Parts: sequence; C-alpha cells; structure tokens
Amino acid sequence: RKEVEQDPGPFNVPEGATVAFNCTYSNSASQSFFWYRQDCRKEPKLLMSVYSSGNEDGRFTAQLNRASQYISLLIRDSKLSDSATYLCVVTLYGGATNKLIFGTGTLLAVQP
Amino acid sequence: DTAVSQTPKYLVTQMGNDKSIKCEQNLGHDTMYWYKQDSKKFLKIMFSYNNKELIINETVPNRFSPKSPDKAHLNLHINSLELGDSAVYFCASSQVVGAGGLGFGTQYFGPGTRLLVL
Repeated sequence: RKEVEQDPGPFNVPEGATVAFNCTYSNSASQSFFWYRQDCRKEPKLLMSVYSSGNEDGRFTAQLNRASQYISLLIRDSKLSDSATYLCVVTLYGGATNKLIFGTGTLLAVQP
Repeated sequence: DTAVSQTPKYLVTQMGNDKSIKCEQNLGHDTMYWYKQDSKKFLKIMFSYNNKELIINETVPNRFSPKSPDKAHLNLHINSLELGDSAVYFCASSQVVGAGGLGFGTQYFGPGTRLLVL
C-alpha cells in the first residue's frame, strides 16, 4: 500500500459545482497534513494546512479524520482557475526518520 | 525578487554525461530540499539540508550528490546520467518549525529543471 494515496482523476466538473477530493495515508503516526496545488508545468504551492478541527479558507474546506486516516478537500463554487492538480502531503516525525510525503495528486478540470 | 530560483530551466543531455543544477533561495530559510517529479507526476523528496548539513537522504543512487555551500544555496550534481534520470527536479526551501526544529514548514518550490537524458 502506498504511504499516501489519492484518486488521480481527472475530475471534470462544470463551473459553480462543488467537488471533493479524499486522500488516505497509511501511517497512523502521521502528524501534519497539507494540500498543495500544482498548475500544469509549474511548481507546487501550498493551498492550505489541514487541522484536526477542520479549517476553511474562502471556498476551500479541509478536514482530517485521524480514525479513518484520511484528509479531504472540498471546493465550493468551482472557478475555471481552480483547474490544477491537488497534492495531498503528510509529514511524519520519528527519531531519525522525518518524512514529508506527497501523494500523486488529483487532477481537477473545471469546464465552462 | 524570485524567492527560489533554479538554473538551468531546461537541460537536454546524453547518457553518461555529468551535469549540475543550481538552486538559490532569498527567503532566509534554514532548510533546502531537492525533489524529483517523474513522468507519472509522482513528487518524491531526495535530499534535505538544514544549515548546510544533510538531514534527509532518501534512497537515491550515489550518482546524485548534493552540495550546500551556504544556507541560501543547494546544488545537485548528477554523474553518469541515465535515461531513467529524465524528470523534473524541484528545489524547495522552508523554515523548520515546531519543537526541536523538526517541522518541515511550508515548502516554497523553485520553478523546476526539466532534465531530458537521451
């Protein structure tokens, strides 16, 4: 099983739609969680951190479910500019092993 | 005023050659990284340096040798290039956070170097 798994998509949605992505992680000791966004042929950029209590930033809502070991990202009122790959990131700290693990990404295509 | 810069942006070379990629950050961060993103878009950390010291060294062939002359620079030298080395290489930097300075912090990526080995 991969350490961090995402549905690769693509998710094709019309403008204005609500779309949700999930990401599962295998190590229950994982400690920090993030969503990054990567536009085509560009570098990844932080979208938002994911907190245990869930957090919202405008149209974006991130949630963490430690019991089931998944995080989610909800995008409301999708815009054309939301089209990108969304990367789930998990960090793990333990003795000599500190890990920062990226998922393979979920591709979102918002259609006019 | 680019935060994290890499050179070159594109690199096309023959198998067996040796090449270097340079990275510089002007964010004042204490940690820098090299990542490889393959054709399937899988982004994997290769190395991490904190204050010029190697702190992460993932399973990477020893043909790859990072070098950090100072906190603001982390270069990657690749010997005897192979076809499988073709990928996009991203440099990144962050400020370590958290107790004991273990937290990775937000990763600020450079624009990437597209390496094609023929």
